[in-house]
Amino acid sequence: GDSVTQTEGLVTLTKGLPVMLNCTYQTTYSPFLFWYVQHLNEAPKLLLKSSTDNKRTEHQGFYATLHKSSSSFHLQKSSVQLSDSALYFCALTEQGTGSKLSFGKGAKLTVSP
Amino acid sequence: AQTIHQWPVAEIKAVGSPLSLGCTIKGKSSPNLYWYWQATGGTLQQLFYSITVGQVESVVQLNLSASRPKDDQFILSTEKLLLSHSGFYLCAWSLGDSDYTFGSGTRLLVI
Repeated sequence: GDSVTQTEGLVTLTKGLPVMLNCTYQTTYSPFLFWYVQHLNEAPKLLLKSSTDNKRTEHQGFYATLHKSSSSFHLQKSSVQLSDSALYFCALTEQGTGSKLSFGKGAKLTVSP
Repeated sequence: AQTIHQWPVAEIKAVGSPLSLGCTIKGKSSPNLYWYWQATGGTLQQLFYSITVGQVESVVQLNLSASRPKDDQFILSTEKLLLSHSGFYLCAWSLGDSDYTFGSGTRLLVI
């Protein structure tokens, strides 16, 4: 079945530094990848999404590129802010189905002053 | 504009008691609907999904059941709560596979 792997459980950075959160996936079908951000005691909110190979997508300073050759969709930001402290989830669905959105284990980003 | 409303916002329930959580989506016709469960600080586990009224597919049951009595309503329930049911329950909707929007969730504590 489909699966999403996020390798960083906890990431602690100082404000202004860059961040990259890894996401790799496994699927036998055409993938649709997402990044969700969840702040404390809130619901997850969509940050980025893509189904287009090798095209960079950006939102709120975050960016990611879907690489089907390496089954990856890593999330990056060049300069993190205190407000970026949150849980970040990579998620996968199969194009054309809409039946299951599978999440990775998540990465908790903590940004310090 | 579409809205998704979950109720209640939070519950404290006793082990063995029944539970019913609800979700209503307004502004979208025939959305796909989903229930997710999240332990504190954990990942989101899909429990059920529904693509049409009266049809619900189970992904992971966890001694819970779901129903879709109306096009815009999705209900999660159980007759007997377990301690392991504690967590954050999230309803979500989508049209197809490109946009999944979550409700604000229900926090459940079973004691």
